[in-house]
Amino acid sequence: RKEVEQDPGPFNVPEGATVAFNCTYSNSASQSFFWYRQDCRKEPKLLMSVYSSGNEDGRFTAQLNRASQYISLLIRDSKLSDSATYLCVVLRSSSGGGADGLTFGKGTHLIIQP
Amino acid sequence: NAGVTQTPKFQVLKTGQSMTLQCAQDMNHNSMYWYRQDPGMGLRLIYYSASEGTTDKGEVPNGYNVSRLNKREFSLRLESAAPSQTSVYFCASSEGGLPPLHFGNGTRLTVT
Repeated sequence: RKEVEQDPGPFNVPEGATVAFNCTYSNSASQSFFWYRQDCRKEPKLLMSVYSSGNEDGRFTAQLNRASQYISLLIRDSKLSDSATYLCVVLRSSSGGGADGLTFGKGTHLIIQP
Repeated sequence: NAGVTQTPKFQVLKTGQSMTLQCAQDMNHNSMYWYRQDPGMGLRLIYYSASEGTTDKGEVPNGYNVSRLNKREFSLRLESAAPSQTSVYFCASSEGGLPPLHFGNGTRLTVT
């Protein structure tokens, strides 16, 4: 299994729908998890961290399943502005916790259609 | 509040030419990073600097050098550019060397 894997998509979703995608990671000792959003030809920006108990930020919900080694992102009531690539980011346990230990997934491309 | 600023935004080089990519952050972060992003691949770490005066290799350091000029600035140098270095380069910084990272807006480099 690759270190961090994501379905590249694209996911084509009508405006207002709910969409969810997962990211699997191979190292069971991975410490921290994040979702970044990257618009076309722009820099990645932190969307949200992923906490063990799951967390919500407005229309966005992130979940961690350590037993099955995946994290998920759910977007409710999707907007046209949600169209972007969503990057899964995992902190390797061997890195000592420093940001140099981050592994980026290749991203899931989401297209919200009017 | 500029955050992380990279220059130039675009650059075209011929094989064998050299250039330096500049990065500066105004968030007083200790740690700075250089990544490259290629189609179909995740961001890959080239070099990082955990604090002023230190630099370390990342996953793909070959063909690059870096300089941590001061706390604010971290430059990436290509001594002899190769077509394989055609990529989008992102500089990033973090507080205390911990995630999350704050990225600059990238440099699109083409080597012909």
